[in-house]
Amino acid sequence: SQTIHQWPATLVQPVGSPLSLECTVEGTSNPNLYWYRQAAGRGLQLLFYSVGIGQISSEVPQNLSASRPQDRQFILSSKKLLLSDSGFYLCAWSGRGPRDTEAFFGQGTRLTVV
Amino acid sequence: AQSVTQLGSHVSVSEGALVLLRCNYSSSVPPYLFWYVQYPNQGLQLLLKYTTGATLVKGINGFEAEFKKSETSFHLTKPSAHMSDAAEYFCAVSGNNQGGKLIFGQGTELSVKP
Repeated sequence: SQTIHQWPATLVQPVGSPLSLECTVEGTSNPNLYWYRQAAGRGLQLLFYSVGIGQISSEVPQNLSASRPQDRQFILSSKKLLLSDSGFYLCAWSGRGPRDTEAFFGQGTRLTVV
Repeated sequence: AQSVTQLGSHVSVSEGALVLLRCNYSSSVPPYLFWYVQYPNQGLQLLLKYTTGATLVKGINGFEAEFKKSETSFHLTKPSAHMSDAAEYFCAVSGNNQGGKLIFGQGTELSVKP
């Protein structure tokens, strides 16, 4: 069966520090990968998605970037964190077939920028 | 363009009472519709989905939802609430072949009183 792992689960970082969140998927190949953010009191917003190694699409302008160095690895980064980057970050994957209609989410990373 | 509106950011019911969480969508293409549940500091779990076919869909934990095209609605119901149903619920929409590119509503927090 497929599983998705995110780490760390929680993170407290000072303003201006770098960020690296990692997500890996097991049990499937060539998945579509996604990063979502859930800010306090708000719904989930798609930040980035990737259809293959090195292929990243950004959905919203922001202080963050994403990379996909391997087929089942997706990384969310920042060079200098802002207070507004605080939130709950969720990685997700989906298949590519015509019947792959939903996303499967990781357990999330709660980031607090102080 | 697609959007989702969840009516009521907070719903409170008594244990054993009917649960009704409202979701209306807007989509320029035939929508795929989803309900996800999120427990505190966890990822999202798929409750149910509508893609094509039967408009009444049944999901896990006794939940069901009905796709009503004329009303652009996809309300979530459960006949009898259980304490363990207390969580946040998200309605989401995507287009055909969009996989995990979801547009989420703002979420509805469900409280269940004993």
